[in-house]
Amino acid sequence: DSGVTQTPKHLITATGQRVTLRCSPRSGDLSVYWYQQSLDQGLQFLIQYYNGEERAKGNILERFSAQQFPDLHSELNLSSLELGDSALYFCASSVVGGGGETQYFGPGTRLLVL
Amino acid sequence: AQSVAQPEDQVNVAEGNPLTVKCTYSVSGNPYLFWYVQYPNRGLQFLLKYITGDNLVKGSYGFEAEFNKSQTSFHLKKPSALVSDSALYFCAVRDPAGAGSYQLTFGKGTKLSVIP
Repeated sequence: DSGVTQTPKHLITATGQRVTLRCSPRSGDLSVYWYQQSLDQGLQFLIQYYNGEERAKGNILERFSAQQFPDLHSELNLSSLELGDSALYFCASSVVGGGGETQYFGPGTRLLVL
Repeated sequence: AQSVAQPEDQVNVAEGNPLTVKCTYSVSGNPYLFWYVQYPNRGLQFLLKYITGDNLVKGSYGFEAEFNKSQTSFHLKKPSALVSDSALYFCAVRDPAGAGSYQLTFGKGTKLSVIP
């Protein structure tokens, strides 16, 4: 158990809908990262937050957004969902986000868009 | 831009034999290198990392990896494979000097099957 929690574990929804994925980082970690894992794209970095502020952006679609709250939990919002958004979404956390820090991953949320 | 290549989609090894999972990388500066393992329906578990210092890094569950700067490689090894090592293995790189210095860039993954 990495100490990173994600809810829900599974999510089934329809095209055009909006969903919210939630992540709680390990105790003491200030940085949160979101990754998407799909069969065709592999593991791709989406976005990073540090202590409530956006720090880095990767291949995140404009339909997707995220935020980190004062208690350091983070939410990833996916809107206008398409079939191709079906994937496993991981959250990871680390203490600060720099140097050789290890990122610890949560168990993931499996999203199925029908 | 940083990138990682895992040239083998699948590696099969007999139980008790040594195993190697290959990884090569490309970064503009000195890399930070990581190995993670993913079991079915589970998240990624950290195995080991290279930041600086000794080129041979030891990690969890008896795994080790050797950093080779001239060959830009970071192969994962274990002297004696167990059936329970069967999983998906990911190599990842972070370039501390690059534009994506906070993110991990992952390889496509290598499926390791240990045959009893």
